[in-house]
Amino acid sequence: NAGVTQTPKFQVLKTGQSMTLQCAQDMNHNSMYWYRQDPGMGLRLIYYSASEGTTDKGEVPNGYNVSRLNKREFSLRLESAAPSQTSVYFCASSEGPENQPQHFGDGTRLSIL
Amino acid sequence: GENVEQHPSTLSVQEGDSAVIKCTYSDSASNYFPWYKQELGKRPQLIIDIRSNVGEKKDQRIAVTLNKTAKHFSLHITETQPEDSAVYFCAASIPSIQGAQKLVFGQGTRLTINP
Repeated sequence: NAGVTQTPKFQVLKTGQSMTLQCAQDMNHNSMYWYRQDPGMGLRLIYYSASEGTTDKGEVPNGYNVSRLNKREFSLRLESAAPSQTSVYFCASSEGPENQPQHFGDGTRLSIL
Repeated sequence: GENVEQHPSTLSVQEGDSAVIKCTYSDSASNYFPWYKQELGKRPQLIIDIRSNVGEKKDQRIAVTLNKTAKHFSLHITETQPEDSAVYFCAASIPSIQGAQKLVFGQGTRLTINP
């Protein structure tokens, strides 16, 4: 039972490069989320998808785009990477509707030089 | 929007003693409050959660209390053990029209258990 799988685990980019972070869940969950985690700031929601075919902005969406490819997969894209986007990115999923636990992947550690 | 404040930012206790971490939130519509434990370099893992129709919930050595009037909730760990050392995050939900559950996280508490 893999749960939430994120790829890649590590990545180094140069400023201005683009990249897509991949996330897949095998728990048949309806809702999926992307967070970033910076030192001393907890986790902040970037984008979320309540169900297949829908996406919406979270707290810090600027500089990112997302695609809910199907019920299992939710990708996060950086079109033109900036050093301020250096962070650890976590994908999560939950059954939906509200008040259901969110389950996290192992994270992607992204450095922008 | 919702704001979650967590205290203390660091906490050091002797093995066997109790640890308490406190959070306050601002949005009275929040109705779900999970707690996550994160070990160094690992994913956040849910350890306990509480819903707004409940005032207290226990799971072995871990308990959470919720005071909706005062808008605060707390994590209590009793009989602490070295493996309890980690960063703990509280969170509060923001109701969403679309049905997804948006969480706002506190800044985290680094708990160290001294043998």
